[in-house]
Amino acid sequence: GDSVTQMEGPVTLSEEAFLTINCTYTATGYPSLFWYVQYPGEGLQLLLKATKADDKGSNKGFEATYRKETTSFHLEKGSVQVSDSAVYFCALRQGGSEKLVFGKGTKLTVNP
Amino acid sequence: DAEITQSPRHKITETGRQVTLACHQTWNHNNMFWYRQDLGHGLRLIHYSYGVQDTNKGEVSDGYSVSRSNTEDLPLTLESAASSQTSVYFCASSDDLVSGRKYFGPGTRLTVL
Repeated sequence: GDSVTQMEGPVTLSEEAFLTINCTYTATGYPSLFWYVQYPGEGLQLLLKATKADDKGSNKGFEATYRKETTSFHLEKGSVQVSDSAVYFCALRQGGSEKLVFGKGTKLTVNP
Repeated sequence: DAEITQSPRHKITETGRQVTLACHQTWNHNNMFWYRQDLGHGLRLIHYSYGVQDTNKGEVSDGYSVSRSNTEDLPLTLESAASSQTSVYFCASSDDLVSGRKYFGPGTRLTVL
């Protein structure tokens, strides 16, 4: 079945450091890919998405590019802030389905 | 503003008891979902509904049931709570089959002793 694999956390960075969180997927066909973010004590929020190969999703300084050749959707940010501290989830959705398949999540802590 | 709410936010119960977690959304979304979040597992789908009177099993549905009598609510029932069901439960809704975006509630932390 479909699956999503994220890099193991936790990840700890200093403010203004560069962030990469790796995400790879296994799926048939051409799924849509998502990054969700969960701030402490809250539910998940959509951060960005991409629906086809070579699409780049971006939001709040975060970016991720849908790479079909490497089945990857790595999350990047050039300069993280303390307020970016959260758990990040990579997810996929097959076309025609409302079901999301999530990775296990990566906890990011940014220190001042 | 439209929103999705869950209640209670925290619940402690005993093994064998029946527990119902409420989920209410005011977006008039057709699609609603229940997930559980556990360390090392991420979010796993329990049940979902595509509309009134429609319910479907997710990947971890054993021991759980849902009912959809109206558009706004999808209560999750644990028929006989087990310690393995200690978790954080998230409800979500969506109405956009194109974008796939889901709106999540704040979560319910359930402890089964």
